Amino acid sequence: DAGVIQSPRHEVTEMGQEVTLRCKPISGHNSLFWYRQTMMRGLELLIYFNNNVPIDDSGMPEDRFSAKMPNASFSTLKIQPSEPRDSAVYFCASGSGGPPPDTQYFGPGTRLTVL
Amino acid sequence: KNEVEQSPQNLTAQEGEFITINCSYSVGISALHWLQQHPGGGIVSLFMLSSGKKKHGRLIATINIQEKHSSLHITASHPRDSAVYICAVGGGSRLTFGEGTQLTVNP
Repeated sequence: DAGVIQSPRHEVTEMGQEVTLRCKPISGHNSLFWYRQTMMRGLELLIYFNNNVPIDDSGMPEDRFSAKMPNASFSTLKIQPSEPRDSAVYFCASGSGGPPPDTQYFGPGTRLTVL
Repeated sequence: KNEVEQSPQNLTAQEGEFITINCSYSVGISALHWLQQHPGGGIVSLFMLSSGKKKHGRLIATINIQEKHSSLHITASHPRDSAVYICAVGGGSRLTFGEGTQLTVNP
């Protein structure tokens, strides 16, 4: 298996632009997580899906952030409009069993820079 | 006070040394995770613990629920163990992360 796939790996955009991050979980996994990592705040859970349904979105910072999981093999995290403080590495992770799963498999992350 | 505290923040060791990283937490949890983040940024889940001890190769993780404390041990450390080790505690889907311990193992 290719593991969790995220795209793009790097994104540089200007303040006010819409940003869409994409994630393909490991086939067969029924849980999907979006995390954000910054130097100041470390790793933070943004949202958790189980069987394509958002279970916990209390970590989503504000209305500018939205996440969808239209099917078991694809999820998006959208920021509109983006702001410089959104600059971070965004990780997607998936797992099976649970919920929540015992082990989460992380993608390589998307490094977002908002100028 | 942070809900999850790790110590030390930075650790430098010589190859072959026995290493211990500590994690203390102040909230009730259902499980504790240890993660490894490589210099390139990739994150690997090492262990999930709810009690006792787990071992995987040269890595050993222990947890004491009563004392709200966990340790990650690395035996016969190697330069490839150099990474940031992150403790995360959880109740349900929500994980709270420690700030991480930067480990450098010199040859």
